[in-house]
Amino acid sequence: QSVLTQPPSASGTPGQRVTISCSGSSSNIGNNNVYWYQQLPGMAPKFLVYRNNQRPSGVPDRFSESKSGTSASLAISGLRSEDEADYYCAAWDDSLSAYVFGPGTKVTVL
Amino acid sequence: DVQLVESGGGLVQPGGSLKLSCVASDFTFSAYWMTWVRQAPGRGLEWVANMNEDGSKKHYVDSVRGRFTISRDNAKTSLYLQMNNLRVEDTGVYYCARASNADYWGQGTLVIVS
Repeated sequence: QSVLTQPPSASGTPGQRVTISCSGSSSNIGNNNVYWYQQLPGMAPKFLVYRNNQRPSGVPDRFSESKSGTSASLAISGLRSEDEADYYCAAWDDSLSAYVFGPGTKVTVL
Repeated sequence: DVQLVESGGGLVQPGGSLKLSCVASDFTFSAYWMTWVRQAPGRGLEWVANMNEDGSKKHYVDSVRGRFTISRDNAKTSLYLQMNNLRVEDTGVYYCARASNADYWGQGTLVIVS
């Protein structure tokens, strides 16, 4: 049972905007940065975005994040077929002294 | 570009030991926290452990504390994970990642405990 909660799945048609939520508590999201990762099928995870939409080079600005209180979200705008992947949120948890991942959300492009 | 290459995975019996290695290149290894993350077959990501730049601070997930030891050799730009008393539930792909927030990942090494 993860301390962060994500919906198991999300979907959209090409060009649509999809949003993935990540819910936590004051010991993790409420007090620390939230990080988002993308894992394409059969591949290693890749860091996507975090605080104030800071992205590694090469990550398109179609991926954006937001945070409010103990919840965060990842938005994918202009959905493309290559965005079909698993998406994970993560944050440091002060109570556990551990980095915690959400269970992941599988995004399907219809 | 940042490179992380893991090795040392394999098949081991329950109760056995294995040592994973991760060789880093194309960044200043000694300036970063380093992290191990694992993924059981068909499951999500699980953070395993991390270590600060000089090795003086280490954190572990509860399920491996006392069995796994993270270490590093900055001169060799290498990160290690010594895994003892392995259990079936330790099976999975183990990834080495740069920084406490895992901003770059290796391709992983598969550990099978059976």
